[in-house]
Amino acid sequence: EVQLVESGGGLVQPGGSLRLSCAASGFTLSRHWMIWVRQAPGKGLDWVASIKQDGSEKNYVDSVKGRFSISRDNAKNSVYLQMTTLRAEDTAVYFCGRGFCSGPSCYSETSDCWGQGTLVTVAS
Amino acid sequence: QSALTQPASVSGSPGQSITISCTGTSSDIGGYNFVSWYQQHPDKAPKLMIYEVTRRPPGVPDRFSGSKSGNTASLTISGLQAEDEADYYCSSFTSRVTGVFGTGTKVTVL
Repeated sequence: EVQLVESGGGLVQPGGSLRLSCAASGFTLSRHWMIWVRQAPGKGLDWVASIKQDGSEKNYVDSVKGRFSISRDNAKNSVYLQMTTLRAEDTAVYFCGRGFCSGPSCYSETSDCWGQGTLVTVAS
Repeated sequence: QSALTQPASVSGSPGQSITISCTGTSSDIGGYNFVSWYQQHPDKAPKLMIYEVTRRPPGVPDRFSGSKSGNTASLTISGLQAEDEADYYCSSFTSRVTGVFGTGTKVTVL
């Protein structure tokens, strides 16, 4: 069974840091782009970052560039999101997503499997 | 990287067809055929319903169909069913090599 499990969320003060982890199982992680998206309470989805299969390409939405860093360890079946200089507007549930593959084509912006999410609250 | 524009809500009776629009720019929807649609029930993770504008992943009913014209993509749900009541989000690849989501549409089955 394909599964993604996020962890590492919690309450942090403005300006603080957190590292989110995403544990993958049931599929070959190294075949897929991986994506982080977030959803503020009661709000819509917000694309955050993506990382290529071998980690050689990383893409970020402007609002997190320079503050967030996405990484992966295929040998450990894990993907990470290091978040620094956190702001109140970063408060959200963060979802890890597997980049969708159809045959030989694998996508960097489309996900067919998501974790249950981990809540990050930035407040003093 | 502004969010794509969707109507806040759409409703229909069981068996009817509804269409949700998603408007972007030439830097996202209009420039690429990488538009996806997601269904999200309350407190659940999103579910991929359409990718590459018109394609359905395995297991998605053919009642769901996608299209695109210029900078606007659309999702049509035919033969509306009670379980289709959910939030729907479009997304697109962008010229910045990122993704962008739509503002979301709440579908109500009357």
